[in-house]
Amino acid sequence: GAVVSQHPSWVICKSGTSVKIECRSLDFQATTMFWYRQFPKQSLMLMATSNEGSKATYEQGVEKDKFLINHASLTLSTLTVTSAHPEDSSFYICSARTSGGQETQYFGPGTRLLVL
Amino acid sequence: GENVEQHPSTLSVQEGDSAVIKCTYSDSASNYFPWYKQELGKRPQLIIDIRSNVGEKKDQRIAVTLNKTAKHFSLHITETQPEDSAVYFCAARAYSSASKIIFGSGTRLSIRP
Repeated sequence: GAVVSQHPSWVICKSGTSVKIECRSLDFQATTMFWYRQFPKQSLMLMATSNEGSKATYEQGVEKDKFLINHASLTLSTLTVTSAHPEDSSFYICSARTSGGQETQYFGPGTRLLVL
Repeated sequence: GENVEQHPSTLSVQEGDSAVIKCTYSDSASNYFPWYKQELGKRPQLIIDIRSNVGEKKDQRIAVTLNKTAKHFSLHITETQPEDSAVYFCAARAYSSASKIIFGSGTRLSIRP
């Protein structure tokens, strides 16, 4: 199947700093990527839909100015957590959908963020 | 928007027995229903999916059923093995330009030896 990578796999930062997470589709072009957040023992909650060349669509309750998403190419989307606080500590997972209306989404390995 | 409910939240079965996880969805436009298995600290892995034009699909020990009228779908695992222990998520998606997948709350499945 298609491969999606994320970098970094884990990050520890101080409160108030910004953290950038990259999501790459390695062997296919992804017109759409999705960003999820997963707290311990909870489900994956969709944060936003990232479309190449256009603004991301955020889910209700997700602050777009805090979680900046950029989808500059068909293989890369980035999520920047700005002014991170301890409550932002979570497991962030991206997924990518192939172009052409295919229904299968491929998930990245996730990024574990710990804000001290 | 779509809302997916899943139960039970935890399930413990004896090795060799069957496990059943049930989900309901709210959006009648949803037409794609994947199931994911997630091991601790890892990404969700697609294990089986079903589309709305099919009522049942089977892949070895795993089967999924869909009742569009009732908006129910279920995962059945037969002859369970220790390696089946994980968290399982159902999900639903409506085919549209957004095509976002909405997850259920998850079921933690434990297989007792």
